[in-house]
Amino acid sequence: GAVVSQHPSRVICKSGTSVKIECRSLDFQATTMFWYRQFPKQSLMLMATSNEGSKATYEQGVEKDKFLINHASLTLSTLTVTSAHPEDSSFYICSAALAGGGGELFFGEGSRLTVL
Amino acid sequence: GNSVTQMEGPVTLSEEAFLTINCTYTATGYPSLFWYVQYPGEGLQLLLKATKADDKGSNKGFEATYRKETTSFHLEKGSVQVSDSAVYFCALSARGGSNYKLTFGKGTLLTVNP
Repeated sequence: GAVVSQHPSRVICKSGTSVKIECRSLDFQATTMFWYRQFPKQSLMLMATSNEGSKATYEQGVEKDKFLINHASLTLSTLTVTSAHPEDSSFYICSAALAGGGGELFFGEGSRLTVL
Repeated sequence: GNSVTQMEGPVTLSEEAFLTINCTYTATGYPSLFWYVQYPGEGLQLLLKATKADDKGSNKGFEATYRKETTSFHLEKGSVQVSDSAVYFCALSARGGSNYKLTFGKGTLLTVNP
């Protein structure tokens, strides 16, 4: 089946620094990718929808200047957490929709961000 | 808005036991319903889905029936195996919107002991 890979799987950074997380579709082209955030014992919350070659669409309450999303190619989307603070510590998950694939989503393994 | 409520975990069962994980939803219109599974160290995978009332989704011995009258989509399996240990997420996507935009429940951790 289709594979989505996230990198890094774990990252620890100091407060005030920026962190980039990559989401790659390894064996298919993804016109649309999604970024989610998951707090402990909470639901996956959709943060933004990323479309190749255009600006991301952010969900209400998500700061677009804080969480920069770039989807420069059909196989790569990146999420950059700018000026990270401890409250940004979370599990970030991406998913990708197979172009013409009828709506099925393929998920990455997730990236655990810890901000000290 | 749309929401999904699933039973709190963790759930611990012995091998060959019967499994039920409850899921109810709130949505406008008639959503599509999904169960996703996340095995340790892996990404979420679609387990099964149902797109209209009374549909039954099934896969790998798991089943769930779309019940419009009770707004439910409970996951069941007659005889669980150790390899079923994972986190299970109930989700919906609202009809009429993007078929991809999912609302998830909190997830239920299932542990099956030999």
